[in-house]
Amino acid sequence: QKEVEQNSGPLSVPEGAIASLNCTYSDRVSQSFFWYRQYSGKSPELIMSIYSNGDKEDGRFTAQLNKASQYVSLLIRDSQPSDSATYLCAVKSNTDKLIFGTGTRLQVFP
Amino acid sequence: GAVVSQHPSWVICKSGTSVKIECRSLDFQATTMFWYRQFPKQSLMLMATSNEGSKATYEQGVEKDKFLINHASLTLSTLTVTSAHPEDSSFYICSAPQGLNQPQHFGDGTRLSIL
Repeated sequence: QKEVEQNSGPLSVPEGAIASLNCTYSDRVSQSFFWYRQYSGKSPELIMSIYSNGDKEDGRFTAQLNKASQYVSLLIRDSQPSDSATYLCAVKSNTDKLIFGTGTRLQVFP
Repeated sequence: GAVVSQHPSWVICKSGTSVKIECRSLDFQATTMFWYRQFPKQSLMLMATSNEGSKATYEQGVEKDKFLINHASLTLSTLTVTSAHPEDSSFYICSAPQGLNQPQHFGDGTRLSIL
């Protein structure tokens, strides 16, 4: 079992819709969770961080964490074509390393 | 603005050349930095953890004599790809956390092409 799992996609949504990206992790003691956006040919950019159960909102982005289910998600409201990218879920281990999922490719079509 | 600076952005060189990549933390000190490699259409793979003032910690399967890491100051880590070959061609990215339990911020990456 991979430590951090994501559906590779592509996830295709129309402009203006809500995009829902999901991630599961295997290490129960993980405490820090991050979503990064990576455009093709570019390095990852931090979108959201979340540390406690529940929802955390920042603009059009909402991160959701459920530690009991070992599940973290990212919702993007009012999706725009410029949101088209690969979204990487990352979980911080107790050694300060980030464990990345393989990423979900999101396509927002006009 | 950027919190981690990486240089150079692109390197194209002949097989057998050694290439040095620099990673700098801007306006903060980083006792730890991380070096990743990413092949096309694949996720980031952690190569090593760079520790200021001590030896780097390499991930399994990464040759420490091939990928030399130096973290001589609290704001600079360097990765040297020694005697690079075409199979070393990849996208190399560094990152650093801004503080304890803070998110890692990534440099812009270095695209290395070995002819």
